[in-house]
Amino acid sequence: DSGVTQTPKHLITATGQRVTLRCSPRSGDLSVYWYQQSLDQGLQFLIQYYNGEERAKGNILERFSAQQFPDLHSELNLSSLELGDSALYFCASSVRARPPPNYGYTFGSGTRLTVV
Amino acid sequence: AQTVTQSQPEMSVQEAETVTLSCTYDTSESNYYLFWYKQPPSRQMILVIRQEAYKQQNATENRFSVNFQKAAKSFSLKISDSQLGDTAMYFCAFMSQQGGSQGNLIFGKGTKLSVKP
Repeated sequence: DSGVTQTPKHLITATGQRVTLRCSPRSGDLSVYWYQQSLDQGLQFLIQYYNGEERAKGNILERFSAQQFPDLHSELNLSSLELGDSALYFCASSVRARPPPNYGYTFGSGTRLTVV
Repeated sequence: AQTVTQSQPEMSVQEAETVTLSCTYDTSESNYYLFWYKQPPSRQMILVIRQEAYKQQNATENRFSVNFQKAAKSFSLKISDSQLGDTAMYFCAFMSQQGGSQGNLIFGKGTKLSVKP
């Protein structure tokens, strides 16, 4: 158990729908990162939050949004889902955002999203 | 923009033998970090080893070691005495230490390693 908790583990939904993926960071970690792993694009950084504030954006679609709550858990919202959004979505956490966590950070076990 | 290339989509090795996974990257920065992550069938992303660009000494972690060639922008992973539990996808990753992308990981496409008994 890495200490980073992601729910649900699996999610199947239809095109056009909206889903919410949840991530609870490891105890003491303030920074949360979201990554998408798909067959086409590989592992891609989506977005980062630190202590409730957005810190960095990667290749995140406009249909996707995220937030980090006062208790530090984070949610990734995916809307108007398309078949191509099917992927494994990872959350990771680290203690800090700056300076960068060059010791690496801890990943959750991911949420497998299937859009049918 | 930084890129990470893993040129070996799949590799296999006999148990107890040694295997080397290749990784090259492209960056104009001088200070950065490099990582190897392992992803077994359980899907969990597990940090295997990390290397600081400003250190010339190659990192080692038990059976895992790297060959870091900064001028060539090469970062290969050597697994000695391969074990069945080493069967996994291995991802090379780059972390910038500057600019807006600092702290985020840029991954290669991965190498699927199979350890055969």
